[in-house]
Amino acid sequence: GAGVSQSPSNKVTEKGKDVELRCDPISGHTALYWYRQSLGQGLEFLIYFQGNSAPDKSGLPSDRFSAERTGGSVSTLTIQRTQQEDSAVYLCASSLFVRGPKGSPLHFGNGTRLTVT
Amino acid sequence: AQKITQTQPGMFVQEKEAVTLDCTYDTSDPSYGLFWYKQPSSGEMIFLIYQGSYDQQNATEGRYSLNFQKARKSANLVISASQLGDSAMYFCAMREGVNRDDKIIFGKGTRLHILP
Repeated sequence: GAGVSQSPSNKVTEKGKDVELRCDPISGHTALYWYRQSLGQGLEFLIYFQGNSAPDKSGLPSDRFSAERTGGSVSTLTIQRTQQEDSAVYLCASSLFVRGPKGSPLHFGNGTRLTVT
Repeated sequence: AQKITQTQPGMFVQEKEAVTLDCTYDTSDPSYGLFWYKQPSSGEMIFLIYQGSYDQQNATEGRYSLNFQKARKSANLVISASQLGDSAMYFCAMREGVNRDDKIIFGKGTRLHILP
């Protein structure tokens, strides 16, 4: 596909269950980000993968959150033992780092709306 | 400490007027990049404009321009001749450093309402 693909688009889960959110970046993009956006709020950085470098996990809010990126492509964000405060839209973005006037902007997916009941 | 500050949570502007959305940032790195994104009610994130810290001129893209004041650490977005379709959330973002390993962080956003 031409853009960043995220699945599922919506997920409703019960408190305490584990969830997996998937992100398929644009082919060839080396950088992949996960952000969280609560209703009407800004984007909270979660984790960043860049090529073969160790991921920057500094934004993960707790050890219930983890993410993997397999083969430098698809990424999965896992939330264990979900809590109601985890309800948010989870956005994935990718970019191809190229020095130039555009600054390698992020290309975003449409997000996964997670609701924890 | 907040790296990106957007002090206007919401703004109301009459159609066809110019709009300035404020953004200040905090970094000690001499090399950085600044981005503006638009998020309509549909939720998609749309890249608008980029300014590098070493760029000599302020960035422009159509009706969008960036008023970059390096000494004041501000990077305000200016939208000329606003349109109803400009109603959206606007986010300022920064990459500290200009290397591939430097992550991008966002401000809390400004919600812009264009009035007919």
